[in-house]
Amino acid sequence: EIVLTQSPGTLSLSPGERATLSCRASQSVSSNFLAWYQQKPGQVPRLLIYVASRRATSIPDRFSGSGSGTDFTLTINRLEPEDFAVYYCHQYGRAPFTFGPGTKVEIK
Amino acid sequence: QVQLVQSGAEVKKPGSSVKVSCKASGGPFSNVGVHWVRQAPGQGLEWMGGIIPIFGTPTYSQKFQGRVTITADESTNTAYMEVVSLRSEDTAVYYCATDPGGFGFDPWGQGTLVTVSS
Repeated sequence: EIVLTQSPGTLSLSPGERATLSCRASQSVSSNFLAWYQQKPGQVPRLLIYVASRRATSIPDRFSGSGSGTDFTLTINRLEPEDFAVYYCHQYGRAPFTFGPGTKVEIK
Repeated sequence: QVQLVQSGAEVKKPGSSVKVSCKASGGPFSNVGVHWVRQAPGQGLEWMGGIIPIFGTPTYSQKFQGRVTITADESTNTAYMEVVSLRSEDTAVYYCATDPGGFGFDPWGQGTLVTVSS
């Protein structure tokens, strides 16, 4: 099973700042099938990024993904108030699919 | 665009079972992956297993193997997830989500809260 480790656990930032979230896999992610999701309290997870760097439909371009193999990054440029949420990385290249524990981006 | 609608909230006794449904509309179902993810209160996301309806053979997380059964009915575009021998730790929101093949999990169902309590 591929274990995903996310860091930091919590990121305290102000609106307008840049957020950099890390996701490290215990083994190489097949075909870079690595996705990022945003989840707000009481809401369904929302797909942001798939195949490590492709933005999902209707996702603003301030969200970007990068990385390959075992190291991946989600960058959120110029944080908007609605971006404060929990972010999960997810590998779906090899079963069992796994999620990281999440990074909470909170208002400083 | 596929939409997924799940069955309603359930309250179950320990030791009983629950079966949650996920009905797809508006797009392909038979040849896409349908996955089940659960989220315990205040916790993260946990993949339970998935199935491609046209193939019919599910794949499970080892954690849930033997206690969870995932099935799909192509005739009604509906997937099901059953958990047996429920315990309090199974209290969670259970989500279904589709994976059209390499594009991540999207869309998701609205979630079904299963509460296990005596």
